[in-house]
Amino acid sequence: DQQVKQNSPSLSVQEGRISILNCDYTNSMFDYFLWYKKYPAEGPTFLISISSIKDKNEDGRFTVFLNKSAKHLSLHIVPSQPGDSAVYFCAASMNTGFQKLVFGTGTRLLVSP
Amino acid sequence: DTEVTQTPKHLVMGMTNKKSLKCEQHMGHRAMYWYKQKAKKPPELMFVYSYEKLSINESVPSRFSPECPNSSLLNLHLHALQPEDSALYLCASSHADDEQFFGPGTRLTVL
Repeated sequence: DQQVKQNSPSLSVQEGRISILNCDYTNSMFDYFLWYKKYPAEGPTFLISISSIKDKNEDGRFTVFLNKSAKHLSLHIVPSQPGDSAVYFCAASMNTGFQKLVFGTGTRLLVSP
Repeated sequence: DTEVTQTPKHLVMGMTNKKSLKCEQHMGHRAMYWYKQKAKKPPELMFVYSYEKLSINESVPSRFSPECPNSSLLNLHLHALQPEDSALYLCASSHADDEQFFGPGTRLTVL
């Protein structure tokens, strides 16, 4: 039972354009959401997070949007750069005093020059 | 120091071997985690230690044995593994409910 899903396994975008990565979840108890970026042979690197009390969080080129009624979140990268090419995982957790993260299946982003 | 280190980077072991994976962080984080990641799959949580006590064991087989000797160190002891246990093993740490910082992982191959 995949509680966090990323339905697009891959996404190709041109440099300078917007990248939009999507994530859906099924468990309404999730109250904290994160995006991680992963290069091959490296551990995931934290990008940005959002609490369920917000609908938007912005950090530089990265913005995360949360639609709780639709159980959907998205990551916008503007402008996209070739160095953004990586696998992006969304993750969700319930506040239990520490994070028990449930990861999505990942989306491979390729940004071409 | 804002990184999580893991040793070794690569490990090849036979099904009768005993080996250990090590993880270290010096960020003062009191929660530490072990994840397993198979190719083209998301990381899957195995264990969580909170304040050096095992808080979560996600029904992991007993051939995987975690240990948290102190607040900075986390070990994963391996014994009698199966070839299907071959994977990338990731360690992470965090303050209570903040984002987790991941190490680079140990690529394990079981022959």
